Amino acid sequence: EAGVAQSPRYKIIEKRQSVAFWCNPISGHATLYWYQQILGQGPKLLIQFQNNGVVDDSQLPKDRFSAERLKGVDSTLKIQPAKLEDSAVYLCASSVSGYTEAFFGQGTRLTVV
Amino acid sequence: DAKTTQPNSMESNEEEPVHLPCNHSTISGTDYIHWYRQLPSQGPEYVIHGLTSNVNNRMASLAIAEDRKSSTLILHRATLRDAAVYYCIYSGGSNYKLTFGKGTLLTVNP
Repeated sequence: EAGVAQSPRYKIIEKRQSVAFWCNPISGHATLYWYQQILGQGPKLLIQFQNNGVVDDSQLPKDRFSAERLKGVDSTLKIQPAKLEDSAVYLCASSVSGYTEAFFGQGTRLTVV
Repeated sequence: DAKTTQPNSMESNEEEPVHLPCNHSTISGTDYIHWYRQLPSQGPEYVIHGLTSNVNNRMASLAIAEDRKSSTLILHRATLRDAAVYYCIYSGGSNYKLTFGKGTLLTVNP
């Protein structure tokens, strides 16, 4: 079966610019996660969707980050404006439900200069 | 957030068994124990999960202590492709949030 698709794979932007990442989860997966992984650290959960509703966004910096999941399928994560400390890999994952195995995409590596 | 304690790094030789420990003393009765691994430049990959009983699959075995406050991931014959960061996670609550720690960096020597 097709895996979790993310685009772009790499992105370089200047600070204060905006950027958007796209995720297409595995078909039929109701739960979708966005993680931020800074070099040398484990992934940090930013937001978790169940279908198109948010179930956890407690660690999402809402003053600059936003995410949406239209029609309970694809999702976009946006940063506006970006800061240098946002440089990281942004990972999308999906699962059938919150307590089954999660499948991760390859991630988008963001560099803010 | 759910906290687990793992060694920062471990080393093994190829084709030998590897036992990766994890402490999760604050786990509750309904929390699942998950293991994921992350190879260089890739997203995390599911390895195994369990609740109370020991679990086996094609990748590994999971041994869960009787009091559930610790678990051990067992790779029966390590290969060079098993070199990765291994994360032990427990999840529960209404949304089964997966909270990653720093994990254990496993090095496999030829």
